This record gives sequence, C-alpha cells and structure tokens, in this order.
Amino acid sequence: TQLLEQSPQFLSIQEGENLTVYCNSSSVFSSLQWYRQEPGEGPVLLVTVVTGGEVKKLKRLTFQFGDARKDSSLHITAAQTGDTGLYLCAGGSQGGSEKLVFGKGTKLTVNP
Amino acid sequence: DTEVTQTPKHLVMGMTNKKSLKCEQHMGHRAMYWYKQKAKKPPELMFVYSYEKLSINESVPSRFSPECPNSSLLNLHLHALQPEDSALYLCASSRTSGAWNIQYFGAGTRLSVL
Repeated sequence: TQLLEQSPQFLSIQEGENLTVYCNSSSVFSSLQWYRQEPGEGPVLLVTVVTGGEVKKLKRLTFQFGDARKDSSLHITAAQTGDTGLYLCAGGSQGGSEKLVFGKGTKLTVNP
Repeated sequence: DTEVTQTPKHLVMGMTNKKSLKCEQHMGHRAMYWYKQKAKKPPELMFVYSYEKLSINESVPSRFSPECPNSSLLNLHLHALQPEDSALYLCASSRTSGAWNIQYFGAGTRLSVL
C-alpha cells in the first residue's frame, strides 16, 4: 500500500514568515499534485509535478519533486493571511491506478 | 475552464429520506469520482467511473448508489442514511483514469443527516 506522509499536520505562523510543507513516501509516484482547500469548499489544484527534480513556482509558492519521485515539498515565502487553508498533497500511482494517494493534510493558519 | 459543478451546495435530510447529489463537468474528462470528506481530514475515495462504467467501489454501503448517465454527469443517490454519513461530498474529474491522473474537484455538497 502506498502512503504519503505529510508534515507538519498543523502550522500557525505570523504574516511575513516563510514555511515549508513536506510530503514523503517510500514509494515512487508518477505525478504529485498539491491542492489548497478552504473550509466548506473543494480542493483547488495548485500545481502538478511529474519529473524527478522538477521545481515549479507559483508567485510566492515553490514546489519541488524529489529526484527519485518519492517526495515533494511546498515552500511559501512571506506568507499572507490569504494563504490560510488546508494543503493536501496527492500522488498518482506509477502503476496507473485510478486512485490518488492523499497525504493527511497540513492545516496552515497565517495570523495578521 | 477546469470547472466541476456540484449541486446542491447544502443538503439536510432525515434518515428515511431519498435524495440525490449531482455533479457535472464539460471538460471532456472520461473519469469521474465521488469522495467523502470529514472535517480536517483528506478526501476518502468512494467510487470511480471510467468511460461511464463503474471501475472502483471502495466497499461503500449500499445506501449510497452512484450513477453515470453520460460522460458529463455523475449522480450519487442517497437512501436511509445514518447521522455518521454527514460530511462534505466531493466530486472530481480527470482526463483519464491512468497514471497522469490530475483530478479537478467541485466545491462539494455539505450533507447533514438528522
């Protein structure tokens, strides 16, 4: 069974601080998606990474896929209150399964 | 356009009611999914339809009955639910159901069972 260990589970920081969220696995994934979800809403896709070592930037967010495609990180620079939400990583199985493997999520609170 | 539309937004039902959740996408995606999500937890997969055929049922109780009338629509029929079934129900779609499985989610239906 493939698992994605996401950490930290909770993170509370002040506006302007930097943070990093990690997703780690012993399994190889064909792709890794990051979503952000606000309370009562569906997850919104932020980025998909598919190549080992890939780095993608989305304004103040930087996403990295590990060289071996077993881990990924999300780094936010100068966090803003609007970044508050639940961040989910989800891996696509290398075997081509229809299932995504989800991490347990990181609940980020950015305080003004 | 990466929009998946779910209706209704909110639903309150008694344990003897029958109701349906609806999901629609017009992205030409051939895989559609139902998830259940409890507060502060990741989504849990319930069903997968691939090319309008049910391909995965994650041992979901029969009081939940999915239906895929065509490639753009997905329904979830609810009957005799329990209070513990109260949750956010999410629909998602992806271009295919293979390895490049990038799923786009709807805004969800918040279900309360009384």
